[in-house]
Amino acid sequence: GQQVMQIPQYQHVQEGEDFTTYCNSSTTLSNIQWYKQRPGGHPVFLIQLVKSGEVKKQKRLTFQFGEAKKNSSLHITATQTTDVGTYFCAGSGNNNDMRFGAGTRLTVKP
Amino acid sequence: DGGITQSPKYLFRKEGQNVTLSCEQNLNHDAMYWYRQDPGQGLRLIYYSQIVNDFQKGDIAEGYSVSREKKESFPLTVTSAQKNPTAFYLCASTPGLGRGPYEQYFGPGTRLTVT
Repeated sequence: GQQVMQIPQYQHVQEGEDFTTYCNSSTTLSNIQWYKQRPGGHPVFLIQLVKSGEVKKQKRLTFQFGEAKKNSSLHITATQTTDVGTYFCAGSGNNNDMRFGAGTRLTVKP
Repeated sequence: DGGITQSPKYLFRKEGQNVTLSCEQNLNHDAMYWYRQDPGQGLRLIYYSQIVNDFQKGDIAEGYSVSREKKESFPLTVTSAQKNPTAFYLCASTPGLGRGPYEQYFGPGTRLTVT
């Protein structure tokens, strides 16, 4: 069945440094979603990518969907302490069978 | 305010007891989901329901049961058959039928500890 792998599991950065998390699927995805979970909180939807090669930006966050629709990335420019949390990708296949990645836990040192 | 509520936030039970976790939504969403979150493993789907009186098993349904008697409510029972029930349980809903590509709205979660 469909699996979504996410790396790295943990990332610790100095405030101001950039951060990237990667998501890879064993099968072609129809779409991919990204969520952020603050410590002690619940996942909150960030964005959805649907088109091959799609790039979307939200302020300092840049989301990409690969040309083959098997991988995606989330890049944060100049991290801030408010970026702390776990970032999850969630991919859906043609049957809308959504699978979450294990998440990347980001910590930011001020 | 519209949203999803889960209660209680923390729950403690003795081994061998069944326990029911509450999930209520006033978003008028058709579909509801239950996930289990363990450290380093992301979210794993337990059960989902696309419509009242109907629900489907997810990837890790063994040891759990659900009901969907009302559109706004989707309680999860963790039975004594669940071998490792201690976890963070998240309820979610989506506006339409099917599991995607709709944005998932999550409740605040219930942290269950079984000793």
